[in-house]
Amino acid sequence: EVQLVESGGGLVQPGRSLRLSCVASGFNFGDYAMHWVRQLPGKGLEWVSGLSWSSSGIAYADSVKGRFTISRDNAENSLYLQMNSLRPDDTALYYCVKERRSESGYPEYYFASWGQGTLVTVSS
Amino acid sequence: DIQMTQSPSSLSASIGDRVTINCQASQDISNFLNWYQQKQGEAPKLLIYDASNLETGVPSRFSGSGSGTHFSFTISSLQPEDIGTYYCQQYDKLPTFGPGTKLEIK
Repeated sequence: EVQLVESGGGLVQPGRSLRLSCVASGFNFGDYAMHWVRQLPGKGLEWVSGLSWSSSGIAYADSVKGRFTISRDNAENSLYLQMNSLRPDDTALYYCVKERRSESGYPEYYFASWGQGTLVTVSS
Repeated sequence: DIQMTQSPSSLSASIGDRVTINCQASQDISNFLNWYQQKQGEAPKLLIYDASNLETGVPSRFSGSGSGTHFSFTISSLQPEDIGTYYCQQYDKLPTFGPGTKLEIK
């Protein structure tokens, strides 16, 4: 069974940094592209960033480009999101998400398996 | 960015009803569209991919159709466990989601 467990969320002041982690199990983590998707409180979904199995292909939403960095450690079955220069509009539940299939190993944007999310609140 | 719109924003229907949700893209996205269901307090779940393909394990009462800019999602016979919010998502360019359609039981 696929399991994705996020951690690292919390309350942080505007301008500060936070690092999210996601530990994966139940599948060959190193074969799959992975993503972060966020959900604003009581609102809709926004894709944040994704990267390929080898980290050679990385993409960001314009809203976080230059501030957030996605990375992975396949040996540790882990995905990360380094968030710098946080703003109040970054407040959201952040989900770790697995691609549907591993054939290409690159982001194809079929969000097939989701963690339960970690809440990030940016406020002074 | 490709903008996605959905209609209606909310919907109340009776058990057994046929329910349809519409999704429109701001430009041609071919069939690069997925549908998700999100129940209260849970993460989203992929139901339909490539506009019309049913994800493994998803009941056959769910279906999707469309291409280009207009898409629809249908539940052929509404069940109590289908309440939740439904989102479309395009992936022709960097992915964007629709605002969601909240489905309730009448």
